[in-house]
Amino acid sequence: NAGVTQTPKFRVLKTGQSMTLLCAQDMNHEYMYWYRQDPGMGLRLIHYSVGEGTTAKGEVPDGYNVSRLKKQNFLLGLESAAPSQTSVYFCASSSGGHRETQYFGPGTRLLVL
Amino acid sequence: GIQVEQSPPDLILQEGANSTLRCNFSDSVNNLQWFHQNPWGQLINLFYIPSGTKQNGRLSATTVATERYSLLYISSSQTTDSGVYFCAVADPNFGNEKLTFGTGTRLTIIP
Repeated sequence: NAGVTQTPKFRVLKTGQSMTLLCAQDMNHEYMYWYRQDPGMGLRLIHYSVGEGTTAKGEVPDGYNVSRLKKQNFLLGLESAAPSQTSVYFCASSSGGHRETQYFGPGTRLLVL
Repeated sequence: GIQVEQSPPDLILQEGANSTLRCNFSDSVNNLQWFHQNPWGQLINLFYIPSGTKQNGRLSATTVATERYSLLYISSSQTTDSGVYFCAVADPNFGNEKLTFGTGTRLTIIP
C-alpha cells in the first residue's frame, strides 16, 4: 500500500499562473481533504469530499477549486495563483470522516512569486 | 468556530526525559486526534482519542472531554521523537467534518 500520495512535491509558480495538485489514495477511503500549512498557523482545511462526485468548502476555500471524479483521486486547482497561496499543501483521507483517523500525504511545497 | 490551544509552544529536552503536552479546546467535541509532524514534514496520526486514555509504546494520551483538554505523554524520549505535535478536534459547528488544528508544540530532543 502506498497510502496517500501527492504530486508534485515542489512547484514554483508566477503570479497568475494556474496549476493542479493531485492526491491519490489506495485505501478505498470515502473521505478526502485538502489542507494548507502556513508557519505558526497549524493546518487549515481548504476543501473536502465525502465521496466520489462530492465536494464541500472548508475553512479557507477562496482561490481554490477541487474535483473528485474518481474515488481514489482528489484534485486541487489554483486558477490564478497569488503570493498569498505560497504554502505547504497536504492531502488526507479517512474511512469515516471525523470519527476515523486521517492519513496524510507527504505534502506539496508551493512557492508563488 | 472552535478554538484549540496547545502548550508549551516549544520544548527542549535531553534524551531519556519524559514530557507532557497539553491541548485545550473551547467547545464540546466528539473527536480529538494527536499528530506528529517529523522534521521532514510527514504527518503521522498518533491517537484518535475523543475521551479516555490510550497507550502505544512510550506514548500515551488522555482526553477529559468534560473539562475540554487532552494530554499527550512521551516517556523516555528519543531523538526520533523530535518534531511538532499537533492536536486537532472536529468542529461541531462545521458539521464535524472540519478538523481544527492547534498551532502545535515543537519538541526537540537533544542526544
